[in-house]
Amino acid sequence: GQQLNQSPQSMFIQEGEDVSMNCTSSSIFNTWLWYKQDPGEGPVLLIALYKAGELTSNGRLTAQFGITRKDSFLNISASIPSDVGIYFCAGQGGAQKLVFGQGTRLTINP
Amino acid sequence: GAVVSQHPSRVICKSGTSVKIECRSLDFQATTMFWYRQFPKQSLMLMATSNEGSKATYEQGVEKDKFLINHASLTLSTLTVTSAHPEDSSFYICSARPGLGGTNEKLFFGSGTQLSVL
Repeated sequence: GQQLNQSPQSMFIQEGEDVSMNCTSSSIFNTWLWYKQDPGEGPVLLIALYKAGELTSNGRLTAQFGITRKDSFLNISASIPSDVGIYFCAGQGGAQKLVFGQGTRLTINP
Repeated sequence: GAVVSQHPSRVICKSGTSVKIECRSLDFQATTMFWYRQFPKQSLMLMATSNEGSKATYEQGVEKDKFLINHASLTLSTLTVTSAHPEDSSFYICSARPGLGGTNEKLFFGSGTQLSVL
């Protein structure tokens, strides 16, 4: 089945630093989504990407849908303490189901 | 934005009992809802796709008689964990997609249910 490789698995950064994480797939996806999950909560949608090459921003977050449709990245600029959490990429292919990456756990040192 | 309400947020039950989890889309209709299971520090694993008015579609390895899904209306899906055992303890999350059949709609998640079976 389809699988997503998300990296890095964890990040330890200083407040104010920029963050970059990405997902790659062996399969083509029609949609890429990026979510953030806080402990004990469900994932919250951050950015949705629908077209290859699309670059979308949401405040300090920027994500891009790779040209090959097999990858996507998420950047966070000028990180703040509330950015702490687990970030998941998710891809949607021909069926309506989403496939999730393994997650990137972000820790920020003040 | 679209809101998905999941209840209860936490449940503790004895082994052998059944537990029902509700997932409601509060401000939109959804013909399809999804149920996920998440173990600590792991990603979300799709268990089943809940279709309004028809039988749910289960992923490989998920027992349909163990995890009963009912999607009786366009705003409500329920997951019942029958005869729960300690290995069923997990974080269960539902999600729903606004719209009636579109494939490019965003997926919104409930806040999850932490099930602990003693």
